[in-house]
Order: sequence, then structure tokens, then C-alpha cells
Amino acid sequence: AQSVTQLGSHVSVSEGALVLLRCNYSSSVPPYLFWYVQYPNQGLQLLLKYTSAATLVKGINGFEAEFKKSETSFHLTKPSAHMSDAAEYFCAVSDAGANSKLTFGKGITLSVRP
Amino acid sequence: GAGVSQSPRYKVTKRGQDVTLRCDPISSHATLYWYQQALGQGPEFLTYFNYEAQPDKSGLPSDRFSAERPEGSISTLTIQRTEQRDSAMYRCASSLDRGHHEQYFGPGTRLTVT
Repeated sequence: AQSVTQLGSHVSVSEGALVLLRCNYSSSVPPYLFWYVQYPNQGLQLLLKYTSAATLVKGINGFEAEFKKSETSFHLTKPSAHMSDAAEYFCAVSDAGANSKLTFGKGITLSVRP
Repeated sequence: GAGVSQSPRYKVTKRGQDVTLRCDPISSHATLYWYQQALGQGPEFLTYFNYEAQPDKSGLPSDRFSAERPEGSISTLTIQRTEQRDSAMYRCASSLDRGHHEQYFGPGTRLTVT
């Protein structure tokens, strides 16, 4: 079985500061990993994905994540937070199997202070 | 269509009533997923379709839950004899095919059972 752990439920940063959202996964097979963002009253939007190519993945809106197999981690970062980054962020793992269903973490709410 | 749409966006029903939720995927997408998201949690897999076939319904919580996709396009999720614990956001996603992994989500249906 697969699982995702996102420690903490809320992160607050100042505008312009580094954003770091942590994600650790558990998978018995090589995983595919994803970060999704949810803005208020909107659906989940894919930020970036890792599918066994380059370990450093760049996504939309200046976000990137690095796959570290030894640490079973896929942390999301952005060098400089913007007010518009305030949202809920979900890390998810897929087993790359026949159905590709996603297993999500609980999500982290990011607040950005002016 | 241009994106995944879901209806209704909000549904309030009384305990014991049946409800049907609808998902209209991206028109070229073969695979369709249903997820349930309780408050403060990440989405959890319910079931998925590949065209009209339903290979995996292991996530459906009970036999009160059923889903259909008779023509391989629009899908419905029906909950019979609703209970308060069924209150959640129900999310639909579609993907080009089972192996493509990138899932596109609709805005969700917020179900409240009173």
C-alpha cells in the first residue's frame, strides 16, 4: 500500500520568503509523485509531477520539487513567496500501475503575510 | 469540453434520501476517477472507469455507493439512503488513459447530509 505524509496543516511565510512544503511517501514500487494546489472554490490544479525522469522537477508559478529516493521525500519549494501563492497544497503518489489512482496526503494550507 | 465539469456544485439532502452526482470529463479522456474528500483531509479514491468499464471499485465505502459510465463519457455517482457521514466534497478527475497519470480535476460537489 502507498501513503503520503504531509507534516503540519498550516505554514505561514512572509511575502518574498522561501516556501518549503514537506512531503514524504511510502511505496513498495517506484512511485510517480505529484503536487496539486487548490485555490478557494476551485478544483485541484496540477503544479508538477515526477515520473522517473529528472529528479528535480520544475512546475508552474515558479515552484519546483526534488525527488530524493534515499529520504523518500518530494518536498515542494519556491524561492520567493507571492501573495497569490496562498492556497492549499496536496502531495500525492501513484503506483504507476494499471489504474494510476492517486493517494493524497492531508494537505497543507499556505498563508503569505504582506 | 474544455475542462472537467461537475454538477451540482452544492447539494444539501436529508438523511435517508438518495443523491446522484454528475461528472462530465474532458471529451478525449478515456479514464475517469471519483474521489471523496472529507473536511481537513486529502481526497480518497473511490472508483475509476476506463471507457465504460469499471475495473476498480475498491474504494467505495459501502454498497450504498455506486457509479456508472454507460457510454464511456459522462459518469454519475449515486449514494443511496444517505447518512451524515457521507457529507464531503466529491471530486471527479479525468485522464487521457490509465497510463498517462496526469489527472485533471473538476470543481467538486459539496454534499451536506442533514
